[in-house]
Amino acid sequence: AQTVTQSQPEMSVQEAETVTLSCTYDTSENNYYLFWYKQPPSRQMILVIRQEAYKQQNATENRFSVNFQKAAKSFSLKISDSQLGDTAMYFCAFEYGQNFVFGPGTRLSVLP
Amino acid sequence: EAGVTQFPSHSVIEKGQTVTLRCDPISGHDNLYWYRRVMGKEIKFLLHFVKESKQDESGMPNNRFLAERTGGTYSTLKVQPAELEDSGVYFCASSPGPNTIYFGEGSWLTVV
Repeated sequence: AQTVTQSQPEMSVQEAETVTLSCTYDTSENNYYLFWYKQPPSRQMILVIRQEAYKQQNATENRFSVNFQKAAKSFSLKISDSQLGDTAMYFCAFEYGQNFVFGPGTRLSVLP
Repeated sequence: EAGVTQFPSHSVIEKGQTVTLRCDPISGHDNLYWYRRVMGKEIKFLLHFVKESKQDESGMPNNRFLAERTGGTYSTLKVQPAELEDSGVYFCASSPGPNTIYFGEGSWLTVV
């Protein structure tokens, strides 16, 4: 069975600092996708970044980047220059075929 | 405590037929969300209920989709008539308030 673990239920970071959210997953699949989603307070879920497992290069999207370690089944998210608008729940997710598994989420608070 | 439950878990219907998906949120959660992910694409927001009222339905793709939340408890999402492009997984989620969201396991819809 595929599982996604986010070991940090809550985190906080000072504005303009860097924070890393951890995510590990378990699968026997070789071809799959990994995602980070964020959900700001009372708003819809937003895709932050996506990584295809067959690509070794880590995905980046502006201030967001990942450290994808396939052998270790680790997929951490780094947020640089944190902004107040980054305050949200962050979900790591794993997907292959028609199976989509979310992690439990990490609540990130960016402090002024 | 029971989590967000969705049913059916899987449904295969013919083009032109009607399907109704149901979501039972966690008891006491005023916020209920529907998302969907069509094949090969990211999860997309459909709509958000606060109790029985539609807070935001900007993600509903067209008028073939109708969502209701009777008495602010369970919700249904009806697709009528279904089209091939409606195939995908439909996630429901509920939340007691900001920064916390719980997803159901999804209803997998295949339109043939």
